[in-house]
Amino acid sequence: GAVVSQHPSWVICKSGTSVKIECRSLDFQATTMFWYRQFPKQSLMLMATSNEGSKATYEQGVEKDKFLINHASLTLSTLTVTSAHPEDSSFYICSAISTDSYEQYFGPGTRLTVT
Amino acid sequence: AQSVTQPDIHITVSEGASLELRCNYSYGATPYLFWYVQSPGQGLQLLLKYFSGDTLVQGIKGFEAEFKRSQSSFNLRKPSVHWSDAAEYFCAVGRINEKLTFGTGTRLTIIP
Repeated sequence: GAVVSQHPSWVICKSGTSVKIECRSLDFQATTMFWYRQFPKQSLMLMATSNEGSKATYEQGVEKDKFLINHASLTLSTLTVTSAHPEDSSFYICSAISTDSYEQYFGPGTRLTVT
Repeated sequence: AQSVTQPDIHITVSEGASLELRCNYSYGATPYLFWYVQSPGQGLQLLLKYFSGDTLVQGIKGFEAEFKRSQSSFNLRKPSVHWSDAAEYFCAVGRINEKLTFGTGTRLTIIP
């Protein structure tokens, strides 16, 4: 079946530093990937839509300069949290849309803790 | 604007008992509806989805859901729950190749 991986699965960084999270579609191509954020005991909120070869589309209220998204290939999208602060601590989940089936597959998530 | 409401934040069910999790949606067109399950600290696993056709949809792990257009509902059911079903359940609405809008989730606790 279609698999989406995220790396790292868990990361701790110090306040003020930047951290990159990778989202890969392992056995399918994806022109569109989504980045969601989930706070503890809450639902998933869409942060941005990542399209291969073009700029990401950010949801209202999401700082595009803070959350940099790069969809460099049909199998990889990255989310970089710049100048991270403790309030950025969250569970980040990506999903990828298969170019063949148009179905959406979710990654296992990345837990970010900013100290 | 599309939205999903899961009115039950937390449900407790005895092992072996039946389960129904409620989901109501608002969507401007014919909705694609999904149920996902999330164990603590884990990602999402798709239980089932409805695109069109038969309004009773069968999923994995013995779950089923029924789409009722007149009630804008897509409730999830299971005739007999197992301790391993304890998790967070999310209902979502969207189109097949577009972003999904999620409900706030229902936490399911199973008691022996």
